[in-house]
Amino acid sequence: GAVVSQHPSWVICKSGTSVKIECRSLDFQATTMFWYRQFPKQSLMLMATSNEGSKATYEQGVEKDKFLINHASLTLSTLTVTSAHPEDSSFYICSAGDRSQNTIYFGEGSWLTVV
Amino acid sequence: GQNIDQPTEMTATEGAIVQINCTYQTSGFNGLFWYQQHAGEAPTFLSYNVLDGLEEKGRFSSFLSRSKGYSYLLLKELQMKDSASYLCAVRDRPDDYKLSFGAGTTVTVRA
Repeated sequence: GAVVSQHPSWVICKSGTSVKIECRSLDFQATTMFWYRQFPKQSLMLMATSNEGSKATYEQGVEKDKFLINHASLTLSTLTVTSAHPEDSSFYICSAGDRSQNTIYFGEGSWLTVV
Repeated sequence: GQNIDQPTEMTATEGAIVQINCTYQTSGFNGLFWYQQHAGEAPTFLSYNVLDGLEEKGRFSSFLSRSKGYSYLLLKELQMKDSASYLCAVRDRPDDYKLSFGAGTTVTVRA
């Protein structure tokens, strides 16, 4: 079964509203989690590193006020897309590293459609 | 910056073998991952190489040469379900689980 779980899998929202996506590590604790975005037929692009108990680290070109990241516990990170616009429609995927397995797992992904 | 190159597309026949090459130039190196991604789904882990050599796992094998900045993923006895995108990704620090991805190689398996 999944070791990293994302919710929701699909979400449709209206322009101007905010949407929250959750990422949970189920069998291990993760001090860092990662959020990626993937547009159709393109590869994964790292948006930000979610750090437990501290501020997220954003990649160049990613608006931190638009993509709010919270990592309040060792098993949960949330990404909130604020004031969503149609161009924010994309596949959002989180990942976390399991130190005991030295492996990086991905969540199932979340499809966001902004109408 | 990170530069990870892999072919865009490959086509092969069911039962055949396909080799997907990946070359990388990154600021650091602490392992190379291969993931399989079906359309509309999240990537699933295939292999991880941190030392030079070949890692075999059933029908899939992965090879790494750190001195050449080169890896390949070998898919044997191809099945229709192997049609997917294959992503090469590099981890640049041992204390970090952040990955830099190549653009992905779309493999189409034909009957």
